[in-house]
Amino acid sequence: DQQVKQNSPSLSVQEGRISILNCDYTNSMFDYFLWYKKYPAEGPTFLISISSIKDKNEDGRFTVFLNKSAKHLSLHIVPSQPGDSAVYFCAPLSTGNQFYFGTGTSLTVIP
Amino acid sequence: SAVISQKPSRDICQRGTSLTIQCQVDSQVTMMFWYRQQPGQSLTLIATANQGSEATYESGFVIDKFPISRPNLTFSTLTVSNMSPEDSSIYLCSGHQGNQETQYFGPGTRLLVL
Repeated sequence: DQQVKQNSPSLSVQEGRISILNCDYTNSMFDYFLWYKKYPAEGPTFLISISSIKDKNEDGRFTVFLNKSAKHLSLHIVPSQPGDSAVYFCAPLSTGNQFYFGTGTSLTVIP
Repeated sequence: SAVISQKPSRDICQRGTSLTIQCQVDSQVTMMFWYRQQPGQSLTLIATANQGSEATYESGFVIDKFPISRPNLTFSTLTVSNMSPEDSSIYLCSGHQGNQETQYFGPGTRLLVL
């Protein structure tokens, strides 16, 4: 039962353009959502989060949008940089402090 | 924030043997978790490591196969028992501090079972 889906396993974007990574979930009990970034041979690192009471959170080049009615969130990176090339995981947090990770999207930013 | 280290970083093991992975956090964390990331898959939660008591396992994972210890607030171990090639995976531990919503991850242990 995959509660969190990232339907694009990979994405390629030109440097300077916008990267949009999408995430869909099924569990309406999720109330906090995080994005993690993972480089090869390293553990995931926290990137940005959003609470279910908001529909947008911005941090520098990174913006996360949440559409609760559609159970959909997206991460926008503008402008994209080659150092952003990594795997991005969407991770909703349940009320029991359990994370449910999406399948990940591998982003490649082309110089 | 918390910095998490894991030992070993990688290992190659024979089937039927067991491997214990150590996870050390540089500060106290309220909760510690163990995840597995199989090739081409996302991170899957194995269990929550509870200090001083038995770990809480997710569906599909059992204590006999993945015994976990957590003797204090900064250290935990995961043992992968009676290994088979299907256990080849990256094993990650993470820590969560009660006043923050984020989890901090270790670098992972790459396990290959022959």
